[in-house]
Amino acid sequence: EIVLTQSPGTLSLSPGERVTLSCRASQSVSSRSLAWYQQKPGQAPRLLIYGASSRATGIPDRFSGSGSGTDFTLTISRLEPEDFAVYYCQQFGSSPLYTFGQGTKLEIK
Amino acid sequence: EVQLLESGGGLIQPGGSLRLSCAASRFTFSTYAMSWVRQAPGKGLEWVSAITASGAGTYYADSVKGRFTISRDNSKNTLYLQMNSLRVEDTAIYYCARRLGGDLPAAFDLWGQGTMVTVSS
Repeated sequence: EIVLTQSPGTLSLSPGERVTLSCRASQSVSSRSLAWYQQKPGQAPRLLIYGASSRATGIPDRFSGSGSGTDFTLTISRLEPEDFAVYYCQQFGSSPLYTFGQGTKLEIK
Repeated sequence: EVQLLESGGGLIQPGGSLRLSCAASRFTFSTYAMSWVRQAPGKGLEWVSAITASGAGTYYADSVKGRFTISRDNSKNTLYLQMNSLRVEDTAIYYCARRLGGDLPAAFDLWGQGTMVTVSS
């Protein structure tokens, strides 16, 4: 079973700052299988990035994804007030079919 | 509006059964693989089960294998999750989610609002 470890657990930043979130896999995964989601309190998750670097429909270009092998990152180039949320990475594999990281909470400083 | 709408959650005693439904609207439901994902209170996301577009293939997390059954009725645009032998640790919000279609990578591009399942005596 592939385990995804996200770091840091919580990040305190100010609007306008640049942030990079990390997702590390316990084994090499296909870039095609890595996705990122944003979840705000009381809401369902929203797909941000799929295939490690492709933005989902309607996602602003301040969000970008990169990485390969075991190390993947989500970068937000300039934080907007609405970006403060919890972010999850996810991979598609074999068993289990899908695995999520434990999440990184981005909070306002 | 393209959407997924879950229903069927509630309070149930340990050992009981519950069936969740997820009604899809304004997209061609029969061409998309679907999943159930849950989130325990204050916790992260956990994939539960998936089903292929035709319904011929089903997949489960080890934590629910043998207790939960996923199914779909493409004529009714509805996804189901039959949950038996429920445990306290199954308490969570249950979301249905649509997998990206076609040859796109595996990711969930459409989510319902979730339905709460509470297993407690």
